[in-house]
Amino acid sequence: AQKITQTQPGMFVQEKEAVTLDCTYDTSDQSYGLFWYKQPSSGEMIFLIYQGSYDEQNATEGRYSLNFQKARKSANLVISASQLGDSAMYFCASKGHSGTYKYIFGTGTRLKVLA
Amino acid sequence: DAEITQSPRHKITETGRQVTLACHQTWNHNNMFWYRQDLGHGLRLIHYSYGVQDTNKGEVSDGYSVSRSNTEDLPLTLESAASSQTSVYFCASSEGQEAHEQYFGPGTRLTVT
Repeated sequence: AQKITQTQPGMFVQEKEAVTLDCTYDTSDQSYGLFWYKQPSSGEMIFLIYQGSYDEQNATEGRYSLNFQKARKSANLVISASQLGDSAMYFCASKGHSGTYKYIFGTGTRLKVLA
Repeated sequence: DAEITQSPRHKITETGRQVTLACHQTWNHNNMFWYRQDLGHGLRLIHYSYGVQDTNKGEVSDGYSVSRSNTEDLPLTLESAASSQTSVYFCASSEGQEAHEQYFGPGTRLTVT
């Protein structure tokens, strides 16, 4: 069974600084994907970044990067140069690439960017 | 533009009533999913479908059912609403089984009194 653990219920970061949101995963699949989603106070779910388990390089999308450490089963999200608009809930998720292809989400981390 | 919509956006119902939440996507995606979001639990998968006439149970499927009669729609039915089903419900779709991204609807806030 897959499991996603996000141990930081809440985080604060100063505007323009970088912040790392932690995510560890547990899966028995040999091939899988890892995702991060942002949920602002308005409630919609916004896809941020994807990392495949066989990707050799860490994924990057603009100010977002995913620090993927396969041996440690971690997939931390790094946001560089934080902006006030980054204040939101962030969810880590995984999906196996075999069997049922279900997405499993973590419980989320609420990030607050301080001016 | 393609989109995924949910209706109603807000619903208040009484315990024991049957409730159906609609989800409609114009992405022409094969995969559709229903989640519920509760504080402290993140998003939990209720049901999912990989195509017309295909439905599967997720981790919290008790008390819920879905049917997939066409590509665009996956309605979620609460057979007999319970207060424990008060939640925010999200529908999502994705293109294929190895698709990277899910597209989410705006959510439906359901209150069962």
